[in-house]
This record gives sequence, C-alpha cells and structure tokens, in this order.
Amino acid sequence: EDQVTQSPEALRLQEGESSSLNCSYTVSGLRGLFWYRQDPGKGPEFLFTLYSAGEEKEKERLKATLTKKESFLHITAPKPEDSATYLCAVHEAKKGYSTLTFGKGTMLLVSP
Amino acid sequence: ETGVTQSPTHLIKTRGQQVTLRCSSQSGHNTVSWYQQALGQGPQFIFQYYREEENGRGNFPPRFSGLQFPNYSSELNVNALELDDSALYLCASSQTLDGGRLSGTQYFGPGTRLLVL
Repeated sequence: EDQVTQSPEALRLQEGESSSLNCSYTVSGLRGLFWYRQDPGKGPEFLFTLYSAGEEKEKERLKATLTKKESFLHITAPKPEDSATYLCAVHEAKKGYSTLTFGKGTMLLVSP
Repeated sequence: ETGVTQSPTHLIKTRGQQVTLRCSSQSGHNTVSWYQQALGQGPQFIFQYYREEENGRGNFPPRFSGLQFPNYSSELNVNALELDDSALYLCASSQTLDGGRLSGTQYFGPGTRLLVL
C-alpha cells in the first residue's frame, strides 16, 4: 500500500537554529510531491510542488528538495512565526481520478 | 481571485444525527475533494467530485455522501453520525483536465470543525 511517512513527529528549535524535516514515500507513479503548512484549526496552506528527483524550490526561509524516495524541507534561521505543522502529500493517479495522500505531519515549534 | 470557502466554521451534533457541510471552490476550478482530518493526523481523502459526479472515493462508508452543483460548489453529507466522525472537514478545489488527470495544486478551505457528542 502506498505510504507517506514524515519525521520527526515534532521538532522544537530555537530562533535561528536551522534544521530539516523529512518525508519518505512509497508510491507507484508519483505525479508530484506537495508541501503544505497548517496552523492550528486552519486549512493547509500550499507551499511547494516538486515533480522530479533533483528538483528544488525555495520560499523565504524554506527550501524543499526531492529524491526518488524522499523529500526534505529545510528551514534556515527559523523565526517564531514559522511555528506550524508541515504536511507532505504525494499526488497519486488512481483509476479515473487522482488525489493527494498525506503524511501525519511534523509539528514545528520555534522559540524566541 | 476568490479562495475556497467553507460553512459553517463549527458545528456540534449528537450521535445519530445528520449533517451537511458546504464548500465553494476557487474561481476557475472544476473539481472538489473532501478530506477528514482527525486531531494529530494528516487529512484523509473522503471523495472527489468532478462534473457533478463522484469520480473517486477513499475508505469511507456510504453514509458519507456528497453533491456538486453546476457552479462547482459542493456539499458533504454525513448520516447517522458517530463519535469518531468528530474531526476537521476540509474541502479542496483544483482543476481536472479531460481524462481525469488532476492538474496543479489542491487549494484548501479553512475547514469545518465537527464535534459529535
């Protein structure tokens, strides 16, 4: 069965302390890997889409990378406002439709 | 450009009741997907609507049903509510090309928080 696994489940950083979040996946026919940010009680907010191994995308302090088996979300010099749950999802082609399969997320807390 | 909207924001029901949640898709999008997100979990796919028909369903029982209207807005109906149905219900809109291929990103609404007592 196709799976998406995120690690760590939770991460606490000091402001300015860089780190990386991991998303490993097993899926046949990957059509894209998505990163979303979710604040408590809110809907996921789109960050990045990656389509092929070696691809990288950046937005402010965030950089996403993709290999054949996993994706990393690198956070450089984080600020308290980066605190959120980061969700990874794979875009899968099904019979007659396609959808997103999500991991459980990594809860990031950045302390001042 | 209008984003995805959902109503209501919060809802409290009792076991056995029925509930209807509503979603307006982002302008230019023709596909609506519904997800259930339990506390501490990632969103789980319920079903997807395209051209006013359900064209895909996740591992959810038939008491979860939906509709899509000509303006691409959608409803999620849940009958015979159970305690485990308590969750954040998310609607996402996207564009589907001919042949069922999902193009681009799914954009999510703010969600409806359902509590079943």
